Amino acid sequence: DAGVIQSPRHEVTEMGQEVTLRCKPISGHDYLFWYRQTMMRGLELLIYFNNNVPIDDSGMPEDRFSAKMPNASFSTLKIQPSEPRDSAVYFCASSKNKGQGSSGNQPQHFGDGTRLSIL
Amino acid sequence: TQLLEQSPQFLSIQEGENLTVYCNSSSVFSSLQWYRQEPGEGPVLLVTVVTGGEVKKLKRLTFQFGDARKDSSLHITAAQPGDTGLYLCAGGGATNKLIFGTGTLLAVQP
Repeated sequence: DAGVIQSPRHEVTEMGQEVTLRCKPISGHDYLFWYRQTMMRGLELLIYFNNNVPIDDSGMPEDRFSAKMPNASFSTLKIQPSEPRDSAVYFCASSKNKGQGSSGNQPQHFGDGTRLSIL
Repeated sequence: TQLLEQSPQFLSIQEGENLTVYCNSSSVFSSLQWYRQEPGEGPVLLVTVVTGGEVKKLKRLTFQFGDARKDSSLHITAAQPGDTGLYLCAGGGATNKLIFGTGTLLAVQP
């Protein structure tokens, strides 16, 4: 089975440019998560969706960041305009629903990330 | 704000040594997961523990959830170079959201 697919794997661009990161979750997963990972701040949750609807975007750092999930098999994270401090590895993850009465969170399945460098 | 602090941050040991990684919080979690991340890849789930005091073993790895469900530990026996990676704990609650720990970077030298 295909895992979570992210593109591009690497992106290098100049500050001020628009950046779009893409994610295809695992088929049948109800939840999609966007994370950012840096040495200083670790793995931070930016936003997550349930059945294509944004549930919690409290981790989105600024209005320059936006995320969409137009259908169950595709999501984008956009940064406009980009700044050097946005440089990080961005991960997308998906999971099944926790379910009623189930104990423990479902595993989150991560893509291989997009390494973003803003010059 | 829920925080998960891991210690140590970095650990470099020789093959064959034992080690323990700790994950601590002041918050109670309904479950605790451990992930391992290798360079250039995303984290991969190792285990989920859900009951206070629960112990789970995965080959040479032993995971324990604290009695009060606020902390967890990961013990590796006879570490091997293949154990090298970033170990992340993650706390779960009523939602599907996870709070990830600060991470422990382990290097096992042959």
